Amino acid sequence: KAGVTQTPRYLIKTRGQQVTLSCSPISGHRSVSWYQQTPGQGLQFLFEYFSETQRNKGNFPGRFSGRQFSNSRSEMNVSTLELGDSALYLCASSPGTVSNQPQHFGDGTRLSIL
Amino acid sequence: DQQVKQNSPSLSVQEGRISILNCDYTNSMFDYFLWYKKYPAEGPTFLISISSIKDKNEDGRFTVFLNKSAKHLSLHIVPSQPGDSAVYFCAAIRANTGNQFYFGTGTSLTVIP
Repeated sequence: KAGVTQTPRYLIKTRGQQVTLSCSPISGHRSVSWYQQTPGQGLQFLFEYFSETQRNKGNFPGRFSGRQFSNSRSEMNVSTLELGDSALYLCASSPGTVSNQPQHFGDGTRLSIL
Repeated sequence: DQQVKQNSPSLSVQEGRISILNCDYTNSMFDYFLWYKKYPAEGPTFLISISSIKDKNEDGRFTVFLNKSAKHLSLHIVPSQPGDSAVYFCAAIRANTGNQFYFGTGTSLTVIP
């Protein structure tokens, strides 16, 4: 069974630009969550999508947005990039029908802002 | 607001000995807890979980203990192996709130051969 796939693996942008990251979940999984990981901060929850609807949202500014398609693939967009947005962005999927199921992670997209 | 905390950023253990990683949480409504392991340049990998109706769950060399009254969980690895060297994250979730997992900041475990 293929795992969670994130593209691209690495990305370099400059301040003020925007970026779109992509995530393909495990087949059959309907829930996709996005996290930001920075040194010392652990994994900070961005948002979760389930059946094309945003079901949960973390405490990030509106520059961070996402969407989910009918095939459960998800994209995350960050507009007006800031230096502090440099981080590893992780996507995780799960069946999503009950909450006591582990999430399975992709290998992340490393975003660097110059 | 860090609802899940791992107060030890790092831990070193001799090969063959026990590794004990700790995690504290503040939200008494959490009812499902997990441990993930992360190697550099890879995403976290699910290791073991425990429901709040239990106080112990075992899977091979890995055992998770939950103390609800103290809002504390721990991961025991016995015996520790060099391949266990990684960053370990604990996570928690509250039922019926969708999939909003709360993660700790991680503990870097080094197992010395």
